[in-house]
Order: sequence, then structure tokens, then C-alpha cells
Amino acid sequence: QLQLQESGPGLLKPSETLSLTCSVSGGSIRINNYYWGWIRQSPEKGLEWIATIYYSGASYRNPSLRSRVTISVDTSNNQFSLKVSSVTAADTAIYYCVRHQRDRPSVAGFGYFYSMDVWGKGTMVTVS
Amino acid sequence: QSVLTQPPSVSAAPGQKVTISCSGSNSNIINNGVSWYQQLPGTAPRLLISSDSQRPSEIPDRFSVSKSGTSVTLAITGLQTGDEADYFCGTWSTGLNSWVSGGGTKLTVL
Repeated sequence: QLQLQESGPGLLKPSETLSLTCSVSGGSIRINNYYWGWIRQSPEKGLEWIATIYYSGASYRNPSLRSRVTISVDTSNNQFSLKVSSVTAADTAIYYCVRHQRDRPSVAGFGYFYSMDVWGKGTMVTVS
Repeated sequence: QSVLTQPPSVSAAPGQKVTISCSGSNSNIINNGVSWYQQLPGTAPRLLISSDSQRPSEIPDRFSVSKSGTSVTLAITGLQTGDEADYFCGTWSTGLNSWVSGGGTKLTVL
């Protein structure tokens, strides 16, 4: 059974860079029609999509966060990572890594008709 | 402020039916699939209904969705106390070029 596990520091100071890694176990990250992404959750913003990547390296980022977000994939170690620069208190949230499944075979690229079918347990990140 | 609108809370008695609405616009729901997620207390969300209106194998058929224009409705029949959770809807927004979600609905089974 596929499992995702987030890792990274739980406490940062304003202006620092948040770095998180998601380790994938029980399956390969190099699988067609599945993407890998990051979602965060806070009481203020609810569920917020951050970024998503394919094993080939093709990536997509939330336009509202694009300038501060980097997502990368390491197929050799079956993991993918997120960096968020210049963090503020507004970045305080639970960060989840997820797998996106393509729900319609006719869909090309990422976006339409995708669901998040596997979630990590989440990691709390506090900026203070 | 979430892009998709959900009621903050709903409640019903065990065995009853409850519906949760998710309202969007012409730039998101109308031409895109909406997925639903269930978040039990203290846990990560899990996929309840895919954007193609399919249930994962472990989700019972008590959960179903319907769509009308720019709104989607999640229906839960035969309510059980174990259904108490937060429910979120999400979809792709062509206007924002981003995945967007509702603010979540807290279901209480009285």
C-alpha cells in the first residue's frame, strides 16, 4: 500500500526558507498518470494547493505562491520536495504531501479531473 | 475566503440523510470535476469521491454526488456516528489556473 511521509523542520523564523521532503514508500514515484503535490491547511485559508510535480520534472505551482515556491523530484530516492522562501506567519499551517490521480484518461497535462487519492499524515509548520 | 462555498455546518440524526452543497462559478465547477474529501478529527483528509464522481473501493455507497450547473451536492444516507467529520470539495479553476477548495463543512451526527 502506497504511503507518503512528510519530513522537515516544524519551526521557522520569519524570512527563512521552509524545506520539506515527502518520502514515497510501497510504490514507485515513476508512475504514469499520477502526479505528486503539496497541500497545506490552516484555519484561516482552509485547504490550499501549493504545487505539484510529475516524475519527469514537469511542475505546476499556485500562482499566488509561485514566486516563493520551488518543487522538485528525486526519482532515485523515491521522494519529492518543497521549498517556500521568505516565510511569514501566514505560512503557518499543516503541510500535506499528496498523490494526484488522473480521473479521466482523455485528460492531458495536470489540472482538470484530478483527485488527491493518497495523503501523508501531515506535518505542522509554525513560523514565529 | 474560499473560492468554493460550503455551509459551515450541517447536522442530522443517525440513520437520516444529509446533503452538503458546494457552490462555484463558470470558471471552476461548471466544466470541471469536483472531488470530495473527508477529514475525521485529528487525521489527514482522505478522498471520498473523485472528480469523476467515483468512490474509492473502501467508501460505501451511502456517499453520492450530484451536479447542477455551478453547484455540486454530496449526499450521505444512513448516517452513522463515524461519519462525523469535516467535508471539503475541490476542483480546478480555469480562471485562477489553480486547484481551489471550499471552506469545509462540519457534519454532526446528533
